Amino acid sequence: GNSVTQMEGPVTLSEEAFLTINCTYTATGYPSLFWYVQYPGEGLQLLLKATKADDKGSNKGFEATYRKETTSFHLEKGSVQVSDSAVYFCALNPQGGSEKLVFGKGTKLTVNP
Amino acid sequence: GAVVSQHPSRVICKSGTSVKIECRSLDFQATTMFWYRQFPKQSLMLMATSNEGSKATYEQGVEKDKFLINHASLTLSTLTVTSAHPEDSSFYICSAHQGSGQPQHFGDGTRLSIL
Repeated sequence: GNSVTQMEGPVTLSEEAFLTINCTYTATGYPSLFWYVQYPGEGLQLLLKATKADDKGSNKGFEATYRKETTSFHLEKGSVQVSDSAVYFCALNPQGGSEKLVFGKGTKLTVNP
Repeated sequence: GAVVSQHPSRVICKSGTSVKIECRSLDFQATTMFWYRQFPKQSLMLMATSNEGSKATYEQGVEKDKFLINHASLTLSTLTVTSAHPEDSSFYICSAHQGSGQPQHFGDGTRLSIL
């Protein structure tokens, strides 16, 4: 079946630190991969996406590369800010599926000044 | 960009009340919308897929008579929690996508509290 495994949090960093949140997946075929961010009390916002192997998604300083050989889509940012504090969800959309998203459990990030 | 509006953002009501939550795609048409439930500090659980002009498809374990879904137009889906009880208290989130292969866009969620 399809599944997403995400690095367990919470993650606490100081401002300007380097961030990595690991995400690996299991899927048949060639899924699309996404990172969503959820700020407190809000819904989810699409952060970035990649639709095929070796694609790199990027937005707001965040990056993730679709690695088919390691079935991974790790999220990285070179220098985090306090405003990046949120919960981050890795998700996949199975190829040819019904467009249902399969989510990881989420990783809470806290960035301290 | 694509915007999904969800209303109300917060509801507090007595046990036994039925509560309707609306999900609208503001600048695109959505033949399919999704309804999720999120428990504190947990991931999103897909409840059902809302299909315009046809019956919703519910995930295993979700009571269709408890959570009524209506997708009357290409821009509006509603979720009605019937005869709500305290255990139905949760954060409900809807989403919609612009087409096959496109990312889903989420509403801001509805915090439902049943007293």
